[in-house]
Amino acid sequence: KAGVTQTPRYLIKTRGQQVTLSCSPISGHRSVSWYQQTPGQGLQFLFEYFSETQRNKGNFPGRFSGRQFSNSRSEMNVSTLELGDSALYLCASSPEGLAKTDTQYFGPGTRLTVL
Amino acid sequence: AQSVTQLDSQVPVFEEAPVELRCNYSSSVSVYLFWYVQYPNQGLQLLLKYLSGSTLVKGINGFEAEFNKSQTSFHLRKPSVHISDTAEYFCAVSSSSGGYNKLIFGAGTRLAVHP
Repeated sequence: KAGVTQTPRYLIKTRGQQVTLSCSPISGHRSVSWYQQTPGQGLQFLFEYFSETQRNKGNFPGRFSGRQFSNSRSEMNVSTLELGDSALYLCASSPEGLAKTDTQYFGPGTRLTVL
Repeated sequence: AQSVTQLDSQVPVFEEAPVELRCNYSSSVSVYLFWYVQYPNQGLQLLLKYLSGSTLVKGINGFEAEFNKSQTSFHLRKPSVHISDTAEYFCAVSSSSGGYNKLIFGAGTRLAVHP
């Protein structure tokens, strides 16, 4: 099975712009989660989607949003970019995301740099 | 609230020496624990997980971890490390929020293996 794929791998934007990141989960996985990784804050949970619905959300401002399509692919959008949004954005998929035992499998990430 | 503390931010070690990466968690309910590894410019790869049963868990690449409920620890060990083990290691606990799971990560431990 192919793993989780994320596009693009690298992105450079300027302050005030918006950006859309894409994630394709492992075939058959219905849950997609997004995490932000920065040197200062570490790995932080953004949100989780299941069957095109956001089920779970972390403590991030409304500038961070996402969606999931019927084929389970997910996109994450950040509007009005700030310098502090520079980070590695990781997507993870799992079969159901319901049980605590559901293992999350991560993609390679998208490195976003905001200038 | 659940949390994870990785006691060492960096661990230098010589090749073929044993290593232990320490992880403590706090939780008032049943826990499910994970160790992930992140190689430079890559996403996270699952090393091993503890869900239930035997407290000694074996993972990939010769790593193992021991779940200790009384000490609320889940330390990662390898009897003999290789240069290729140089990476960042993350301990995580599965947290239930609104009935759906998300991962809470420790700050990470950077393992540097020297020849």
